[in-house]
Amino acid sequence: DAMVIQNPRYQVTQFGKPVTLSCSQTLNHNVMYWYQQKSSQAPKLLFHYYDKDFNNEADTPDNFQSRRPNTSFCFLDIRSPGLGDAAMYLCATSRDPRDKGLAGAIRYEQYFGPGTRLTVT
Amino acid sequence: AQSVTQPDIHITVSEGASLELRCNYSYGATPYLFWYVQSPGQGLQLLLKYFSGDTLVQGIKGFEAEFKRSQSSFNLRKPSVHWSDAAEYFCAVGPFSGGYNKLIFGAGTRLAVHP
Repeated sequence: DAMVIQNPRYQVTQFGKPVTLSCSQTLNHNVMYWYQQKSSQAPKLLFHYYDKDFNNEADTPDNFQSRRPNTSFCFLDIRSPGLGDAAMYLCATSRDPRDKGLAGAIRYEQYFGPGTRLTVT
Repeated sequence: AQSVTQPDIHITVSEGASLELRCNYSYGATPYLFWYVQSPGQGLQLLLKYFSGDTLVQGIKGFEAEFKRSQSSFNLRKPSVHWSDAAEYFCAVGPFSGGYNKLIFGAGTRLAVHP
C-alpha cells in the first residue's frame, strides 16, 4: 500500500544535541509537510516543500531546518533541541494543488505518517 | 481571518450511543472541509472530506458529516459509537492563502467511550 513512513517512531535526544527525523513516501506526491504537535494541541505547520521549493512558516524558529533530497524523502533537522521542542512531529504529503484535473478536495487532502515522538532530556 | 473552532475539548459517551462533534469555521469563500482522527501515539487519519455537492458526506468507520453553509458548520456524527472510536478528532479547513495545500486545524475534541 502507498503510504507515508516516519523513522524513528520514538527519538530521545539530549538538550542541544542535533537530531534528524526522517520521512519517506510512496505516494509520489509533490508536496511534503512537517508539523509539530504538542500534547493536546492541533498540529502546527512548520514548513512545507512544493517539489524542491521550500516554504517556511513565519513563526518557525531558525532552529528547525528541512531537506528534501528527492521526491520520496524529506528530513527535519533540529539543530539545538530545547526542552520546549519535545513533541510529536508529523510528516504529511499531498497532491499538486494546482492540478485542475483533480477534484478540489482531493488536491488538498493531506496524508499523514504515524509521527515521531521526540523526547529531549 | 480564517479559523476553525471545535467548541468541545472533551466529550464522553457510552458505547452504542450516538455522537456529534461540532466544528465551526470562518472562511471567506467556499471551503474544503476535512475531519481527521488521531489515535493515541499515531498520526492523523482522514475520516471524510467535503468540497461540493451533497452536503451530507459519508466517511470511513461509519462516520458522516453535514455541511451547513448558513451556520458555517461541518459537524461530525456517528449513530452508534464503538469503544475503538475513542481518539482525538480534528476538523480542518482549506486551502489557506499561498496557493498551497495549507490547512487550518481546529484544536481538537478528545472522545472518551464508556463501556
